[in-house]
Amino acid sequence: EVQLLESGGGLVQPGGSLRVSCAASGFTFSSYAMSWVRQTPGKGLEWVSSISGTGSSTYYADSVKGRFTISRDNSKNTLFLQMNSLRAEDTAVYYCAKGERPGGSAYHVVFEYWGQGTLVTVSS
Amino acid sequence: EIVLTQSPDTLSLSPGERATLSCRASQSVSSSYLAWYQQKPGQAPRLLIYGASSRATGIPDRFSGSGSGTDFTLTITRLEPEDFAVYYCQQYGSSPLTFGQGTKVEIK
Repeated sequence: EVQLLESGGGLVQPGGSLRVSCAASGFTFSSYAMSWVRQTPGKGLEWVSSISGTGSSTYYADSVKGRFTISRDNSKNTLFLQMNSLRAEDTAVYYCAKGERPGGSAYHVVFEYWGQGTLVTVSS
Repeated sequence: EIVLTQSPDTLSLSPGERATLSCRASQSVSSSYLAWYQQKPGQAPRLLIYGASSRATGIPDRFSGSGSGTDFTLTITRLEPEDFAVYYCQQYGSSPLTFGQGTKVEIK
């Protein structure tokens, strides 16, 4: 059974940093692209970033480019999102999501399984 | 950026009825890279359809997707009580990947 468990969310001040993690199990982690998608009541679902199975290719939404960094540790089956220079508009539930096929592109990626999400609140 | 517009915003139907949800793209979605998700309150989205018409693993055959280019449709042939939820379309043909604003299917 595929399981994705996010952690690391919380309250952070504007301009601050936070790293969220996603522990994966139930599949060959290194074979699949992984992504972060966030959700806010006002803006709905927003793709944030994706990374290939090897970690060699990464993609970002313009709204986070230069501030967020996606990475993965395939030896520990864990996905990360390092978030710097956080803004109020980054407040959201952050989901990690698994791509739908082994060796699949991190560019053309469908989100086959999702974690339950971790809430990040940026506020003073 | 490809903007996806879903209609209607809310669909009020009874169990057993047919639901037809629309997703229109601001430009053509390459290779029919269009997916549909279902989300219930307090839960993460669940993949229903990818490639415009392929059902994801474990999805009942009352869910079907169709369309190409800029116009796509999700059809639920006979609504079950567990189908009342919010549905989102997503394109993954070009970056940035984008989602529609959602259609809520509610009990009439």
